[in-house]
Amino acid sequence: EAGVAQSPRYKIIEKRQSVAFWCNPISGHATLYWYQQILGQGPKLLIQFQNNGVVDDSQLPKDRFSAERLKGVDSTLKIQPAKLEDSAVYLCASSPSRAGNTIYFGEGSWLTVV
Amino acid sequence: KQEVTQIPAALSVPEGENLVLNCSFTDSAIYNLQWFRQDPGKGLTSLLLIQSSQREQTSGRLNASLDKSSGRSTLYIAASQPGDSATYLCAVSVLGTGANNLFFGTGTRLTVIP
Repeated sequence: EAGVAQSPRYKIIEKRQSVAFWCNPISGHATLYWYQQILGQGPKLLIQFQNNGVVDDSQLPKDRFSAERLKGVDSTLKIQPAKLEDSAVYLCASSPSRAGNTIYFGEGSWLTVV
Repeated sequence: KQEVTQIPAALSVPEGENLVLNCSFTDSAIYNLQWFRQDPGKGLTSLLLIQSSQREQTSGRLNASLDKSSGRSTLYIAASQPGDSATYLCAVSVLGTGANNLFFGTGTRLTVIP
């Protein structure tokens, strides 16, 4: 079974530039998550989708971050304009629709803002 | 707001030793608790998931316990091996808007010395 796929794996951009990350969840998983993990910290939930609807985006900095999940499968997370403090690993994860299931993470997209 | 704490932040043990990692959380109204492993430059791998109604889960040399009333969980690793070296994260799931939101600790970095 294929895992959660993410791209690009690594990205270096200058502040005020924009960047987009792509995620393909495990086939059949209705729930998709984007987490931000800053070095030395645990992951923090940015946004959660159930199929193509947003369930929770309370910790998403909406002035610069946006995310979409068209057709309830792939998802894209965009940052525009980027700030130095956005340097982090952006982890995509998915799980079956029922709450309480194991969550499966991708390997992450590493962003450095200089 | 749920806060998750992990102690110690780092741990070094000789190969073959048994060890315990600790996790505490402030709000006992959880849905489940998961232990994850994170290798450098990689995403998270789920090790064990304990539902709120359960007291423990076992997988191979790993045993996780949950005491929801006191807000504590432990991960016991028996006969540690160098391959166990990684960062171990615990996360609790809090139901909100019908979703499954994970709150992570900052992790314990384990080094097993051959």
